[in-house]
Amino acid sequence: AQSVTQPDIHITVSEGASLELRCNYSYGATPYLFWYVQSPGQGLQLLLKYFSGDTLVQGIKGFEAEFKRSQSSFNLRKPSVHWSDAAEYFCAVGAGYGNKLVFGAGTILRVKS
Amino acid sequence: NAGVTQTPKFRVLKTGQSMTLLCAQDMNHEYMYWYRQDPGMGLRLIHYSVGEGTTAKGEVPDGYNVSRLKKQNFLLGLESAAPSQTSVYFCASSPAEILHEQYFGPGTRLTVT
Repeated sequence: AQSVTQPDIHITVSEGASLELRCNYSYGATPYLFWYVQSPGQGLQLLLKYFSGDTLVQGIKGFEAEFKRSQSSFNLRKPSVHWSDAAEYFCAVGAGYGNKLVFGAGTILRVKS
Repeated sequence: NAGVTQTPKFRVLKTGQSMTLLCAQDMNHEYMYWYRQDPGMGLRLIHYSVGEGTTAKGEVPDGYNVSRLKKQNFLLGLESAAPSQTSVYFCASSPAEILHEQYFGPGTRLTVT
């Protein structure tokens, strides 16, 4: 069965610093991978997705993610974090019929000024 | 275009009471989903639907029922609420032709006392 692990529950970075959020997945075939962001009290917004092709994908708000098959990873990066990036970030993998998704437990990002 | 909407936004129930959460989408999506979000556990799929009149169980279906009488609506019912059902509930929808890409509503915060 598909699964997603986000090893970091909380991460704190300084404003302007770079960011990397880790995501590891378990899936037999080529996965469909996603990163979502959830601001406090809000729903989930799609940041970016990987289906196939170029392993470095660009998303909204200056985020990018790199798919590494050999490491079963899909880490999210941003070169310079803004205070408004403070939120919870979820990695997800496509899971079978019906366009289902399996989510990781999430990483809460705090940005200090 | 409202996207995915959820009613109500907040609700407090006593143990044993029943209620129905309504999800509506105006994007003509085939697939719809109900998730619950609990701290440290990410989003877990309760039930989903791949079309009008069809429903299927997800990862954590016990204690919930659903119905999809109209394509644009997906209802989640709790027949006899329990404190363990205190959670934030999210509805999502997905177009059948874009694999695994889901669009989320703003959530309903439910407290069962």
